[in-house]
Amino acid sequence: KAGVTQTPRYLIKTRGQQVTLSCSPISGHRSVSWYQQTPGQGLQFLFEYFSETQRNKGNFPGRFSGRQFSNSRSEMNVSTLELGDSALYLCASSLTGQESNEQFFGPGTRLTVL
Amino acid sequence: AQRVTQPEKLLSVFKGAPVELKCNYSYSGSPELFWYVQYSRQRLQLLLRHISRESIKGFTADLNKGETSFHLKKPFAQEEDSAMYYCALANAGKSTFGDGTTLTVKP
Repeated sequence: KAGVTQTPRYLIKTRGQQVTLSCSPISGHRSVSWYQQTPGQGLQFLFEYFSETQRNKGNFPGRFSGRQFSNSRSEMNVSTLELGDSALYLCASSLTGQESNEQFFGPGTRLTVL
Repeated sequence: AQRVTQPEKLLSVFKGAPVELKCNYSYSGSPELFWYVQYSRQRLQLLLRHISRESIKGFTADLNKGETSFHLKKPFAQEEDSAMYYCALANAGKSTFGDGTTLTVKP
């Protein structure tokens, strides 16, 4: 079974631009979660999607948004990029998103904002 | 609000020594707790979850509700255990991770 894939793997943007990151979950998984990983803040939960609906949201500003398609693939968008948005963005999928479900992580997208 | 604390950023032990990675949580309900591990140049992956009550790669973790802890233990550390370890709490579809502990096992 193919693992979670994320594209692109690396991205360089400048302040003020916007960016879209993509995540393809494991086949059959319907829940996709997004995390921001930085050296100073660790892993921070952004949001979780299930059946094309945002089910949970972390404490990030509205510049961070996402969506999920009918095939469970998900995209995350960050508008008006700031230097502090530089981070590794991880996507994780699970069967249903229930607490007991194991999350399977992708390799991440490394975003650098200049 | 749920919170996970891993008090040690770095932990270094010698091969064959016991190792304990600490994790404390704050949550008023009955949480689901996990340990995830990230080996060098690999993606984050599940190590074990408390509901399974299993031992993976010699690691065990016991949920202590009285102390709100979920410490990860291994009696004899191996060099291949060197990695970043994250404790995580899941509730209502939302996962909260600790800041992680980097374990180094020296030969």
